[in-house]
Formats: sequence, structure tokens, C-alpha cells
Amino acid sequence: QVHLVESGGGVVQPGRSLRLSCAASGFTFSTYVMHWVRRAPGKGLEWVAAIWADGSNKYYVDSVKGRFTVSRDNSKNTLYLQMNSLRAEDTAVYYCARERDSYNDHWGQGTQVTVSS
Amino acid sequence: DIVMTQSPDSLAVSLGERATINCKSNQSVLYSSNNKNYLAWYQRKSGQPPKLLIYWASTRESGVPDRFSGSGSGTDFTLTISSLQAEDVAVYYCQQYYSTPRTFGQGTKVEIK
Repeated sequence: QVHLVESGGGVVQPGRSLRLSCAASGFTFSTYVMHWVRRAPGKGLEWVAAIWADGSNKYYVDSVKGRFTVSRDNSKNTLYLQMNSLRAEDTAVYYCARERDSYNDHWGQGTQVTVSS
Repeated sequence: DIVMTQSPDSLAVSLGERATINCKSNQSVLYSSNNKNYLAWYQRKSGQPPKLLIYWASTRESGVPDRFSGSGSGTDFTLTISSLQAEDVAVYYCQQYYSTPRTFGQGTKVEIK
């Protein structure tokens, strides 16, 4: 059974950093592309980043390029999102999601990130 | 970037009645080499993560009730709930996975009338 559990969220001041983790189980993590998607308060879903199964390619939405870095440790079955220079508009629930045949078939429960002074 | 626009933003439907949600992209998400539409539908209930309902525009995910169906091609798509149940109250999103950045529609909130 596929299981994705995000952690690392919290309250952080603008300009500071936070690292999110997503622990995966129930499938062969190292063979799947993984994504981060967020949902800001009162808003819809926004795709944030993706990383190939072997970590060789990474993609980002323009609003986080240069500030966020997606990575993975296939030996630990864990996906990461390093978020630097955080802004108020980064406040959101962050979900990790598995990709199957290009679409996202399983999602974690999400972790809340609040950027506030 | 491909812009996805859903309509309506919200709708209230009586139990047992049909609910129809539209999704339009500003460029085609039909990949000509395999004739597949790179379009998915997700359901997000309050306090829960999104759940995959439909992929390739019309293929129902395993375990999804058959009252949910997807149709359309190119730039115009529809999600239909044939007979609304109380447990279908949620926000529904379309998403294109034809190109990066992946983009979602703004969401459609479905409520019981």
C-alpha cells in the first residue's frame, strides 16, 4: 500500500529557510518521479517542483526558482524540498505526490508551512 | 505556461442529480503521437489531500465510483457526476500534465442544494 508522509512544516519568519521531507513506503521509490504541490489558504492547487527517479533532472515553477531545491535520497526512500528566502506568499499546505504515467496517483496528507513575522 | 480555466467556480446540486464541471485549456493537451489527452481530474475533500479520479481525460482510476466520468479532447473537457451523493461534496480540479509547469484549474466547489 502506497504511503507518503510529509514532515518539516512549521512557522518561519520571512527570509528564513525550512526543509520539508516526504517519507515514502509501499512501493519502489527509486523508480518513480516525485512532485511537490502546494495549496495556499483560500486558493487552489499549485504545482511546485518535480524530480526524476534518479534525481538527474529537476523542474520548478517560476515563483520558486532559485529559492527552492528538490532532492531525494533513494536509499532512505525520502523526498525533500529545501525552501530558502521564504516569503509570505509561500504560506501553504505542501503535498508530495507520486507520478504514475505522467499524472499524480498518490498524495501525502500534507504539511503546513506558515511564513510570518 | 498552459492556463487551465474551470467553470463554474461553484455549483449546488440536489442529491441524485447530475453535476457537470467544465475545464478549458488555452492550448491543446492532446499529444498527437499517442492520441492521448494529458488531462487529469482530482477531488479534494475538506481536510484531505487531493485524490485522483480521472486520467487521460476519461479513464477512471481504480476504485472510483462509476458515477464519475470524464470526457473531452484537445482544449475542452468535462467531469460529470451522474448522480450526486452526499460524499461527493468537495472541490474538484482539472490538471494538465502535457507540459511543465503542470497547471491546475482554479477549482470548482460542489455542494448539496
